[in-house]
Amino acid sequence: RKEVEQDPGPFNVPEGATVAFNCTYSNSASQSFFWYRQDCRKEPKLLMSVYSSGNEDGRFTAQLNRASQYISLLIRDSKLSDSATYLCAVFVYNFNKFYFGSGTKLNVKP
Amino acid sequence: NAGVTQTPKFQVLKTGQSMTLQCAQDMNHNSMYWYRQDPGMGLRLIYYSASEGTTDKGEVPNGYNVSRLNKREFSLRLESAAPSQTSVYFCASYEGNQPQHFGDGTRLSIL
Repeated sequence: RKEVEQDPGPFNVPEGATVAFNCTYSNSASQSFFWYRQDCRKEPKLLMSVYSSGNEDGRFTAQLNRASQYISLLIRDSKLSDSATYLCAVFVYNFNKFYFGSGTKLNVKP
Repeated sequence: NAGVTQTPKFQVLKTGQSMTLQCAQDMNHNSMYWYRQDPGMGLRLIYYSASEGTTDKGEVPNGYNVSRLNKREFSLRLESAAPSQTSVYFCASYEGNQPQHFGDGTRLSIL
């Protein structure tokens, strides 16, 4: 079983739509959680960290559910520029390693 | 403020050739990582270095070696390149309970 699993998509949504991605992780010792955005053939760039109480950054909201071991990302009022692949990442302190999901592709259409 | 710098950005090799991918960070981070990314596979950890002087295998270490030359630099070596090593390689660094910072990648093709 993979450490981190994501639905690969693609999610095809119209501009203005709300879209949500989930990501599940298997190691209960996971300590830190992140969402990255990756554009085609570019490096992953941090979108936002995910805090236990949930957090929001503009149109983006991230949630953590430790009991069910998943994190989520909600994008409201989707823009064409949101089209990208979204990677979730978890950090396990005991191993000093990050584990990444394989990414969820989002296509926002006019 | 360069962050994580990788060289080269692109490389084409013939099967059996060797080469070293260079990575340097200027953020005084202790931990550094090498990943490869293939279509549909996400990021897979090759090797990592928790601190200067230490290296450990990741998920897919076969065919690779690494050197943590100092705190700033972490290189990845392919001793005898194989077509299966055609990929995009990312170096990353990390410190504390913070996100990783990535270099902009090396696109490697092996013919």
